[in-house]
Amino acid sequence: QKEVEQNSGPLSVPEGAIASLNCTYSDRGSQSFFWYRQYSGKSPELIMSIYSNGDKEDGRFTAQLNKASQYVSLLIRDSQPSDSATYLCAVTPWGGYNKLIFGAGTRLAVHP
Amino acid sequence: EADIYQTPRYLVIGTGKKITLECSQTMGHDKMYWYQQDPGMELHLIHYSYGVNSTEKGDLSSESTVSRIRTEHFPLTLESARPSHTSQYLCASSDPGPAGGELFFGEGSRLTVL
Repeated sequence: QKEVEQNSGPLSVPEGAIASLNCTYSDRGSQSFFWYRQYSGKSPELIMSIYSNGDKEDGRFTAQLNKASQYVSLLIRDSQPSDSATYLCAVTPWGGYNKLIFGAGTRLAVHP
Repeated sequence: EADIYQTPRYLVIGTGKKITLECSQTMGHDKMYWYQQDPGMELHLIHYSYGVNSTEKGDLSSESTVSRIRTEHFPLTLESARPSHTSQYLCASSDPGPAGGELFFGEGSRLTVL
């Protein structure tokens, strides 16, 4: 079992719709959770971080964390073609301060 | 804006050559990392450093080595490159936040070993 699992996609959504990206992790003691966006041929960039159960909103992005279910998600409202990218879920495991474990990513395609 | 630079961006070399991938950051970050990423696959941590003269191996075994003589510089060296080393190498640094998860990545070095 991988430490961080994501559906590889592609997830195809129409422009203006809500895109929902999901991630599960195996280490129950994981501390911190992050979503990175990676455009094709580019490096990852951080878009959201979340540390406690519940929702965290930042503009069109909402991260949701459920530690009991070991599940973290990212919602993108009013999806735009420019949101088309691979979204990487990353987790700091127990005792792994500053050592992020990345999932393989979900490819999102927003079509006009 | 992140100021972290990697050179070369692209490198094609023959088997057995020694190569050094350079990484420099101007943000004064103590923590620096090297990740390896194959197309469509996860990023794997191969080396990290918490400061000058501190280096540790990551979760993915790698034949490469690193050094950290200056805060801003974290080069990665392969003494004898092989085709299995063909990959994208990403350097990153992080600020001293509560969990240090905001990594700033360089643009990457894509290595091809023939």
